[in-house]
Amino acid sequence: DAGVIQSPRHEVTEMGQEVTLRCKPISGHDYLFWYRQTMMRGLELLIYFNNNVPIDDSGMPEDRFSAKMPNASFSTLKIQPSEPRDSAVYFCASSLGQGNSDTQYFGPGTRLTVL
Amino acid sequence: GESVGLHLPTLSVQEGDNSIINCAYSNSASDYFIWYKQESGKGPQFIIDIRSNMDKRQGQRVTVLLNKTVKHLSLQIAATQPGDSAVYFCAENMNYGGSQGNLIFGKGTKLSVKP
Repeated sequence: DAGVIQSPRHEVTEMGQEVTLRCKPISGHDYLFWYRQTMMRGLELLIYFNNNVPIDDSGMPEDRFSAKMPNASFSTLKIQPSEPRDSAVYFCASSLGQGNSDTQYFGPGTRLTVL
Repeated sequence: GESVGLHLPTLSVQEGDNSIINCAYSNSASDYFIWYKQESGKGPQFIIDIRSNMDKRQGQRVTVLLNKTVKHLSLQIAATQPGDSAVYFCAENMNYGGSQGNLIFGKGTKLSVKP
């Protein structure tokens, strides 16, 4: 299994530009999570989906952030317009979500730098 | 790596020694706990998990201990190797029972192994 796949691995953009991060979860996993990691705040959950439906987006910092999951094998996290404080590593994770297995498997992350 | 912060607790051990990494969790009702390892430039990787109906669980070279009375979790690594150098996160599941939910991550501890 290829694991969770994220693209791009690195993104450098200018303030005000739109940024789209992409994620392919592990096949068969029903849950997908988007996290943001910074030195100051650590690892924070932004939003998660169950069977392509957003369940909890309370971690999304503001309206500039949006996430979609059009099908079971693809999700996007979009920031529009981007700001320098959005610079972070963004991780996608997926899990089976079975009662006896809540383990989340993380992708390699996208390192976003907003100038 | 991006996960290492200036204020991360750091544990430095000699190769071959045992390591103990501690974590205090926040919610006495949490029923599922996970330890993750994050190497520089990579996403968190699952190490071991434990449910609240257990107080100890062993894996290969790793043991997790859970003390619900004082809300404390520890990860023991036997015969620590240079490849164990990483940041270690504990996480608790705030949604109970079988439903998937929200993993709350600790700030992490950086383990450095001296050869």
